[in-house]
Amino acid sequence: GAVVSQHPSRVICKSGTSVKIECRSLDFQATTMFWYRQFPKQSLMLMATSNEGSKATYEQGVEKDKFLINHASLTLSTLTVTSAHPEDSSFYICSAYRPRWPGTDEAFFGQGTRLTVV
Amino acid sequence: DAKTTQPPSMDCAEGRAANLPCNHSTISGNEYVYWYRQIHSQGPQYIIHGLKNNETNEMASLIITEDRKSSTLILPHATLRDTAVYYCIVRVLNSGAGSYQLTFGKGTKLSVIP
Repeated sequence: GAVVSQHPSRVICKSGTSVKIECRSLDFQATTMFWYRQFPKQSLMLMATSNEGSKATYEQGVEKDKFLINHASLTLSTLTVTSAHPEDSSFYICSAYRPRWPGTDEAFFGQGTRLTVV
Repeated sequence: DAKTTQPPSMDCAEGRAANLPCNHSTISGNEYVYWYRQIHSQGPQYIIHGLKNNETNEMASLIITEDRKSSTLILPHATLRDTAVYYCIVRVLNSGAGSYQLTFGKGTKLSVIP
């Protein structure tokens, strides 16, 4: 089946530094990828929609200058958390749609990245 | 957006069928119902989806009521590895982003008990 790979799975960084998270679709081309954030005991919250070759669309309340998204190819999207602070510590998850005829496509999710800012 | 309502938690005995309900009373005619599950500290896993007809695959069955206002996910023989949070989602078109998106609710925490 289709696989979405996310790297790194865990990262610890110092406050004020930047962290880059990669999301790759391994066996299909993804024109659209999504980035989610999940705090402990809460559900996934959509942060942004990433479209290959164009600017990402951010959800309300998500700072686009803090969470930089680059979707440079059909198999890779990156999320960079800039000037990270402890409140940015969270579980970040990406997903990618494998497009098919309407109704039968499904979104595949990466394994997530646990970010801890100290 | 069509929203879904699920019970916060359920228990199921190992080997028995787990029936997870979901209400989506405001669903539109062309919106699909998707089910995902999330095992602790992992990304969500696709289970099944449907529009009108009942669906079955190797993981589960999806029963959608005739009026489409509710559905039930059935895990026919639950195992301990099925313990997870199960999300029922109505896929909607995000016109701003130009793509479909999945909006996660709180889901149902299913505990399979030995």
